[in-house]
Amino acid sequence: QKEVEQDPGPLSVPEGAIVSLNCTYSNSAFQYFMWYRQYSRKGPELLMYTYSSGNKEDGRFTAQVDKSSKYISLFIRDSQPSDSATYLCAMTPNNDMRFGAGTRLTVKP
Amino acid sequence: DADVTQTPRNRITKTGKRIMLECSQTKGHDRMYWYRQDPGLGLRLIYYSFDVKDINKGEISDGYSVSRQAQAKFSLSLESAIPNQTALYFCATSDFPPRSGGRGNEQFFGPGTRLTVL
Repeated sequence: QKEVEQDPGPLSVPEGAIVSLNCTYSNSAFQYFMWYRQYSRKGPELLMYTYSSGNKEDGRFTAQVDKSSKYISLFIRDSQPSDSATYLCAMTPNNDMRFGAGTRLTVKP
Repeated sequence: DADVTQTPRNRITKTGKRIMLECSQTKGHDRMYWYRQDPGLGLRLIYYSFDVKDINKGEISDGYSVSRQAQAKFSLSLESAIPNQTALYFCATSDFPPRSGGRGNEQFFGPGTRLTVL
């Protein structure tokens, strides 16, 4: 079993839809949780960062962490074609980062 | 100007050849990492270095070696390339603990090197 599980998709939604991306994990030592966004032919860039459990909102993006269920989510409201990318969850107890497989998202105009 | 650069961007080579991928950064970060990315498997850590004298194996180090020539330079070598090392390779840096305004554990990635081993 992988430490971090993420459905690779692909996921296709119409413009304006609410998108939900999820990851589950098995290591209870993870305490830093991140979402990276990777455009085609580019390196990943940090999108959201959360320490421990709870919610964090940044514009149209909301990250949720439920440590009791070992489950994290990223919600995108009013999705735009420019949100089309691969989204990778990442988590670490301190230094050694573990990434999910990434979910490829396409937002159609 | 890019903060993390990788050379080459694309490389095609043959089985058994020695290959070196290079990474340079101007961010002044002490920590540097090498990952490979494969479809359906995400990013997997090959090696990481917390400073010039500190090198650590990651999840999948077999068949790879690294050299940290300076704070700004971290190279990845494939001593004898094999076809299942065909992948996208990323170098990354991080600044931990973060300086003012930084986000702890954030990693900054280069543009990647697409390596094909025939």
